Amino acid sequence: DTGVSQNPRHKITKRGQNVTFRCDPISEHNRLYWYRQTLGQGPEFLTYFQNEAQLEKSRLLSDRFSAERPKGSFSTLEIQRTEQGDSAMYLCASSGGIAFFGQGTRLTVV
Amino acid sequence: ELKVEQNPLFLSMQEGKNYTIYCNYSTTSDRLYWYRQDPGKSLESLFVLLSNGAVKQEGRLMASLDTKARLSTLHITAAVHDLSATYFCAAPNSGNTPLVFGKGTRLSVIA
Repeated sequence: DTGVSQNPRHKITKRGQNVTFRCDPISEHNRLYWYRQTLGQGPEFLTYFQNEAQLEKSRLLSDRFSAERPKGSFSTLEIQRTEQGDSAMYLCASSGGIAFFGQGTRLTVV
Repeated sequence: ELKVEQNPLFLSMQEGKNYTIYCNYSTTSDRLYWYRQDPGKSLESLFVLLSNGAVKQEGRLMASLDTKARLSTLHITAAVHDLSATYFCAAPNSGNTPLVFGKGTRLSVIA
């Protein structure tokens, strides 16, 4: 499968715990995006990278959210001290011109 | 800041009927995307429209773009149950900048 891959697909965590999600983009794509989607809403942009450079991070929801793409390939999104309001689908997309989305990671904070 | 609005947000159609979903965007953008999302699933790319007057068709779906009116339409012809899903339009401010999505149109096709 040469599409965008996200892991894990589902994550249940207790409030206050840290979680990390991984995204492997399509190999030749240099841009990688993270979005969050809550029930009944469209995806909401969080941050994006061109190669290893993070070009926009002001849309990250709070300082508990951070993202990295250390070698310009895969990326991780970390949420520290999770809250119930963080429960959502976290989507990754990569682009070499047209954006393709991964299957998402569904986070449930209990 | 670019804003994208879709209407209607909910659409219940009878099988065999035609309907159009509208997508308006607030500032100039050089491309417009349509995605489909099934419940609990991710986004499937349907169309990318790159120029004024662009029209693309796939099966019972046809998308068009009018950049002067800042309007895209997704037309459904002779709807079938398999088309039931949520449809999103999205646009970047420019080029490869992040996409701004509409709220989606939840389509339900009933017999």
